[in-house]
Amino acid sequence: EAGVAQSPRYKIIEKRQSVAFWCNPISGHATLYWYQQILGQGPKLLIQFQNNGVVDDSQLPKDRFSAERLKGVDSTLKIQPAKLEDSAVYLCASSAGVSSGNTIYFGEGSWLTVV
Amino acid sequence: AQKVTQAQTEISVVEKEDVTLDCVYETRDTTYYLFWYKQPPSGELVFLIRRNSFDEQNEISGRYSWNFQKSTSSFNFTITASQVVDSAVYFCALIGPRAQKLVFGQGTRLTINP
Repeated sequence: EAGVAQSPRYKIIEKRQSVAFWCNPISGHATLYWYQQILGQGPKLLIQFQNNGVVDDSQLPKDRFSAERLKGVDSTLKIQPAKLEDSAVYLCASSAGVSSGNTIYFGEGSWLTVV
Repeated sequence: AQKVTQAQTEISVVEKEDVTLDCVYETRDTTYYLFWYKQPPSGELVFLIRRNSFDEQNEISGRYSWNFQKSTSSFNFTITASQVVDSAVYFCALIGPRAQKLVFGQGTRLTINP
């Protein structure tokens, strides 16, 4: 079974530029998450989708971050304009939900450096 | 609110030693799930184990074992006869039945020296 796919793996941009990350979850998983992990810290949830609807985006900095999950499958996370403090790993994860005991599977992450 | 605490920021041991990673959690839910993930330098979070709040049986998988104690809200992870390949950051995490949001601890960086 294919895992969670993310791209690009690495991205370096200048502050005030924009960047977009793409995620393809495990087939059949209704729930999709974007987490931000700053170096030395645990992952922090940015946004959670159930199919193509947003369940929780309370920690998403909406003035610069946006995310969508069209058709309830793939998702895109965008940052515009980027700030230095956005340098982090952006982890996409998916889950089948309660039926799978709520196990959440993660992709390899997209490493962002803002200079 | 849910919270996970991993008090050990870094642990360094010599290969073949046993090592225990501590995890303490807080939640008001009576039903919840606890997880351990391994994060090697590549960055991916690798799922190791899931335990639900009604199952307090300890589990052993090869050199890995987990001790879940509801009375002390702890879910500790022990690696027996550690190997260099066990070097990674390990995260303990908690999810409730409704939130569906995984809350992570700060992680413990484990270094196994040859």
